Amino acid sequence: DTGVSQDPRHKITKRGQNVTFRCDPISEHNRLYWYRQTLGQGPEFLTYFQNEAQLEKSRLLSDRFSAERPKGSFSTLEIQRTEQGDSAMYLCASSSDKNTEAFFGQGTRLTVV
Amino acid sequence: SQKIEQNSEALNIQEGKTATLTCNYTNYSPAYLQWYRQDPGRGPVFLLLIRENEKEKRKERLKVTFDTTLKQSLFHITASQPADSATYLCAFRGADTGRRALTFGSGTRLQVQP
Repeated sequence: DTGVSQDPRHKITKRGQNVTFRCDPISEHNRLYWYRQTLGQGPEFLTYFQNEAQLEKSRLLSDRFSAERPKGSFSTLEIQRTEQGDSAMYLCASSSDKNTEAFFGQGTRLTVV
Repeated sequence: SQKIEQNSEALNIQEGKTATLTCNYTNYSPAYLQWYRQDPGRGPVFLLLIRENEKEKRKERLKVTFDTTLKQSLFHITASQPADSATYLCAFRGADTGRRALTFGSGTRLQVQP
């Protein structure tokens, strides 16, 4: 296992289109997080899964955003009707019950034009 | 409101010197804090964790201190090298039970000149 994997690395989409990102966490990690990061800022928390259960959601996660982790392994983050303000780096991270540090993927950079 | 502040200005130092980065917080009761390194276009990489009952933690050339009275953490890199140039983020998880999310500062960019 080489770490947290995210796909795609880059996505350019037109305003109003839907996009979906995928995250494959480290295999033995049961905790999975999505963050969003804009230029010059630190990552902002979006949502958290423990196994397949979505236990925590940020107020940043509007109705246009939905995340799933159906089998407690990979996760998807979908943004419907994208807006220019959605342009950002979307980061996925995973961790185990034993260790509190988060292991981040390389991120998906979304550009909405 | 809860706030984490890191110096937004870049820190420029000469190779071999000690870099010291600051992280201040208000209206928080952090259970622990973490420091991450982030290179351009890449995800953050975990460096060190320090708990609220610990004063200092070290790992090789890195040292973190945590002062809950001052509400401040300091991150030191001794004998700095150009390869240490990156953005350094501090992050907290609150003492509230059930919350797993980390809250990040905006990061401080470190530039080590050869």
